[in-house]
Amino acid sequence: DAGVIQSPRHEVTEMGQEVTLRCKPISGHDYLFWYRQTMMRGLELLIYFNNNVPIDDSGMPEDRFSAKMPNASFSTLKIQPSEPRDSAVYFCASSWSSGGAGNEQFFGPGTRLTVL
Amino acid sequence: AQSVTQLGSHVSVSEGALVLLRCNYSSSVPPYLFWYVQYPNQGLQLLLKYTTGATLVKGINGFEAEFKKSETSFHLTKPSAHMSDAAEYFCAVAPDSWGKLQFGAGTQVVVTP
Repeated sequence: DAGVIQSPRHEVTEMGQEVTLRCKPISGHDYLFWYRQTMMRGLELLIYFNNNVPIDDSGMPEDRFSAKMPNASFSTLKIQPSEPRDSAVYFCASSWSSGGAGNEQFFGPGTRLTVL
Repeated sequence: AQSVTQLGSHVSVSEGALVLLRCNYSSSVPPYLFWYVQYPNQGLQLLLKYTTGATLVKGINGFEAEFKKSETSFHLTKPSAHMSDAAEYFCAVAPDSWGKLQFGAGTQVVVTP
């Protein structure tokens, strides 16, 4: 398997623009997580899905952020409108519940977002 | 609610010296504990995890960690540091087998020749 795939790897945009980040989880995994990493706040869980259904979105910072998972092999995180404070590295991770106790989350390489 | 505290945001070790990274957790239920490593410009990679059973857990790249319930700790060690160990290390806790992970703030390890 190719692992978790994220695109784009780098995104530079201007304030006010819409940004869409994409993630393809590992085939067969039923959990998908979106994280944000910044120097100031560290690694934050934004939202996670189980079987394509959002389970906990309490980490989503505000209404400008939205996430969808239309099928088991694709998820998006959208920011509209984007602001400079959204600049961060966004990670997608996936795991599977049937993997036994202590599920390992497999992380993608991340998308580095810069909002000017 | 669970939380994780990593002592020391930066650690500098000499090549060949012991690596010791400290992690303390709080959890209302028996936890699942993890150590992840992040190399520059990469995602996180699992080093090792504790679920149940033996409290001394061995992971990849010569790392190991010991779960001490009485001390609520899960410190990570490696007997002899290698230059390739330079990375950021994250301790994480989950309350159950499928729950979301709570990550610590991370410890940046620098290895000097």
